[in-house]
Amino acid sequence: SYELTQPPSVSVSPGQTASITCSGDKLGDKYACWYQQKPGQSPVLVIYQDSKRPSGIPERFSGSNSGNTATLTISGTQAMDEADYYCQAWDSTDFGTGTKVTVL
Amino acid sequence: QVQLQESGPGLVKPSETLSLTCTVSGGSISSYYWSWIRQPPGKGLEWIGYIYYSGSTNYNPSLKSRVTISVDTSKNQFSLKLSSVTAADTAVYYCASLSGSYAYWGQGTLVTVSS
Repeated sequence: SYELTQPPSVSVSPGQTASITCSGDKLGDKYACWYQQKPGQSPVLVIYQDSKRPSGIPERFSGSNSGNTATLTISGTQAMDEADYYCQAWDSTDFGTGTKVTVL
Repeated sequence: QVQLQESGPGLVKPSETLSLTCTVSGGSISSYYWSWIRQPPGKGLEWIGYIYYSGSTNYNPSLKSRVTISVDTSKNQFSLKLSSVTAADTAVYYCASLSGSYAYWGQGTLVTVSS
C-alpha cells in the first residue's frame, strides 16, 4: 500500500484561502487527485491529475504537486466548501487520511 | 453520465456473508475498473478491491482472505461478497469507477453487522 498523510483539520475564514496538504513518498512523481465529501454524501472528485478540475467544479479549487507533497487550495472559501477532503495518488487505490475543513 | 447504484441487505449477522451488488447505467462496464470502497461511521475511506470487466481482480491485502468481487457484464453489474463479518465491518459501502481516479460513485449503502 502507499501511505498518504493529511492534517486532520484546517480552519479558514470565509473569503480566505484554505490549503490542504497530502504527503507521500515521492508523491510528486505521480499524479494526485482530491475528493470532497460532505456529511451524508458520497465523495466527489474535485481535482485530478494534480490540477485539472472535472466539469462543474468551481475555479476556486486548484491543485499542485511537487516533491513529497500535493496541495489542494480553495481560494475565496465559501461556507459550502466545509467538508472532508481526501487525496489519492493516481496509480494507487488507497486514500489519504482525510482533512476536515471548517469555515469559521 | 455514468451512474452507479448499490443494492443489498442493510443488516447482516456476525459470522455471515455480506453481499452487495452495484448496477452501472449510462456507460459500458467495459470502460473502467470497478471498485468497492467502504467508510466506517466517523472514519475515512478504505479501498476494498476492484475488478475489470474481463474478471481480473485486485484486493486490499488486509481483507483479501474474506473478499470476492465478481462481474456480470450481461447485466452491467458487479458484486461484493465479504465473509465472516464482524461489527468492525459495519460501514457505508460505496461502489465507484476507477480510471486513475474515482470519477463516479454510487450513493452508498449502510451495512450494519449485528445479531
